[in-house]
Amino acid sequence: AQSVAQPEDQVNVAEGNPLTVKCTYSVSGNPYLFWYVQYPNRGLQFLLKYITGDNLVKGSYGFEAEFNKSQTSFHLKKPSALVSDSALYFCAVREVPGFQKLVFGTGTRLLVSP
Amino acid sequence: GAVVSQHPSWVICKSGTSVKIECRSLDFQATTMFWYRQFPKQSLMLMATSNEGSKATYEQGVEKDKFLINHASLTLSTLTVTSAHPEDSSFYICSAKKTGGFPYNEQFFGPGTRLTVL
Repeated sequence: AQSVAQPEDQVNVAEGNPLTVKCTYSVSGNPYLFWYVQYPNRGLQFLLKYITGDNLVKGSYGFEAEFNKSQTSFHLKKPSALVSDSALYFCAVREVPGFQKLVFGTGTRLLVSP
Repeated sequence: GAVVSQHPSWVICKSGTSVKIECRSLDFQATTMFWYRQFPKQSLMLMATSNEGSKATYEQGVEKDKFLINHASLTLSTLTVTSAHPEDSSFYICSAKKTGGFPYNEQFFGPGTRLTVL
């Protein structure tokens, strides 16, 4: 069965600095990988996805993620953090093409300080 | 485009009563919708997959008689928590997948419904 690990409960970064939120996955086949962001008392907003092709995926709000098959990782990155980026970030994976179940990581809280 | 709404956004009810939560895709058709439950400071746990015109598929450990799901149209799915108890208090989130979209297309999430059972 597929699984996702987000090893950091919280990431702290100063505004203007680059940020990385880590995600590793485990699947038996090819992964479809997603990042979502959640603001307090809100649903999830889609940031980006990796299906195939370039390992570097660009998404919403200046975020990007790099797919690394050998390390089974899909870390979320942004070159310059904003205070407004502070939120809860979820990595998710789907394993089988056509199978729709998403498996989420436990989430990483990003705190960007002014 | 691809907006999903939920109603109500929050609800407080007495123990033993039933609560219905609606999930609507506002500008697209969704053959498949999903219901998640999120506990404080925890991840989303898939409860069930709702398919228009057929019975929902429940995840292991989810009581289908307690969490009734109806997906009567391509834009509406409902989750009814029957005989609610305080342990059912949680944040319930739905998502929808566009009909006819690629299998790997993203799900679009609703804003969530916070249920508090007294």
